[in-house]
Amino acid sequence: GQQVQQSPASLVLQEGENAELQCNFSSTATQLQWFYQSPGGSLVSLLSNPSGTKHTGRLTSTTVTKERRSSLHISSSQTTDSGTYLCAIDTNAYKVIFGKGTHLHVLP
Amino acid sequence: GGIITQTPKFLIGQEGQKLTLKCQQNFNHDTMYWYRQDSGKGLRLIYYSITENDLQKGDLSEGYDASREKKSSFSLTVTSAQKNEMAVFLCASSRGANSDYTFGSGTRLLVI
Repeated sequence: GQQVQQSPASLVLQEGENAELQCNFSSTATQLQWFYQSPGGSLVSLLSNPSGTKHTGRLTSTTVTKERRSSLHISSSQTTDSGTYLCAIDTNAYKVIFGKGTHLHVLP
Repeated sequence: GGIITQTPKFLIGQEGQKLTLKCQQNFNHDTMYWYRQDSGKGLRLIYYSITENDLQKGDLSEGYDASREKKSSFSLTVTSAQKNEMAVFLCASSRGANSDYTFGSGTRLLVI
């Protein structure tokens, strides 16, 4: 079936370092969304990026559609960036598939 | 801006009990979703509704019922709570296929 694989599963950084999160998917994605979930919190949409490169604040997402992969780059990480980052794809249907997430820990 | 509200925020039930979770959105979104989130398993789709009066089963629909009472509200019922069950139920809405999702803050369920 359709799958979304995220890597790494867990990432520990020192404050100020950059983070690179990867998302690989097995089907053509008509929509791709990155979400952030704070510990014990709900999901907040960060970026929608089905193709190309998008920036918002310290976040940059690059999606290469034909290679079925997307990345999320977080520059100058802060302790408040700690949490889980989820990648989700919509394959031209209503059933969006989520990855299991990357757990990011930013140390002071 | 709009908001998507889930009630209750915390739900403690007893084994075998029927439990209902509610979700309301004021985005005027057509499509609404119920997901279950378990540690280590990611989000799994339980039910979704493309528009008012529509219901579609997700991958995890067994043991659940859903009801789209009106465009703005979507309820989920756990038909028979399982002992020691602990999960977060997340409601989301979107304008439709290929549109961004907005999530509610979740209902945390514990069955004793």
